[in-house]
Amino acid sequence: KNQVEQSPQSLIILEGKNCTLQCNYTVSPFSNLRWYKQDTGRGPVSLTIMTFSENTKSNGRYTATLDADTKQSSLHITASQLSDSASYICVVSAITGNQFYFGTGTSLTVIP
Amino acid sequence: EAQVTQNPRYLITVTGKKLTVTCSQNMNHEYMSWYRQDPGLGLRQIYYSMNVEVTDKGDVPEGYKVSRKEKRNFPLILESPSPNQTSLYFCASSLGRDRVTKNIQYFGAGTRLSVL
Repeated sequence: KNQVEQSPQSLIILEGKNCTLQCNYTVSPFSNLRWYKQDTGRGPVSLTIMTFSENTKSNGRYTATLDADTKQSSLHITASQLSDSASYICVVSAITGNQFYFGTGTSLTVIP
Repeated sequence: EAQVTQNPRYLITVTGKKLTVTCSQNMNHEYMSWYRQDPGLGLRQIYYSMNVEVTDKGDVPEGYKVSRKEKRNFPLILESPSPNQTSLYFCASSLGRDRVTKNIQYFGAGTRLSVL
């Protein structure tokens, strides 16, 4: 069964600190993996997209890594800001089929 | 500006009263999709459409209908809403079903529906 699991479920960090969010998936055959940021009450916004051949992708202070062999991805946030407080969602799609598979998200709170 | 527009943003209705949530995109995207988001469950796909007149069920299609008569519009129809359909709904669109490409999926701002 195609599944996407994220950890931790929630995280609280101090402003300026770094953090790493995890995503494990069983979606196969793998096509690509996306990280989204969802602010409270808003729709998700794309941060990074990685295909099978890409190990890392950066978007400002956000860096995503992908290990297609172990089917794991991480999202690293550097020098966190209060505006990073949001839910971060990992989404995986397969080469076959037409669906996106969503993780349940990690809720990040950055405190002053 | 590239946009996915949903209406209404908030809706309170009663059981059994038919309703439609509209979704429109201005990017000439082929792929459109509806999701519902519930606490602890994340986003779950209701229906998606690969192109005009092509729709298919997602993970949780029961109680919902969709249509794709025009490329830009993808309304979600609840013929007889029930309280278990109280949720936050998102419409999304992308240039195509991504496969190995990197078509970004754009989401609308969401529709918060309460069925009493």
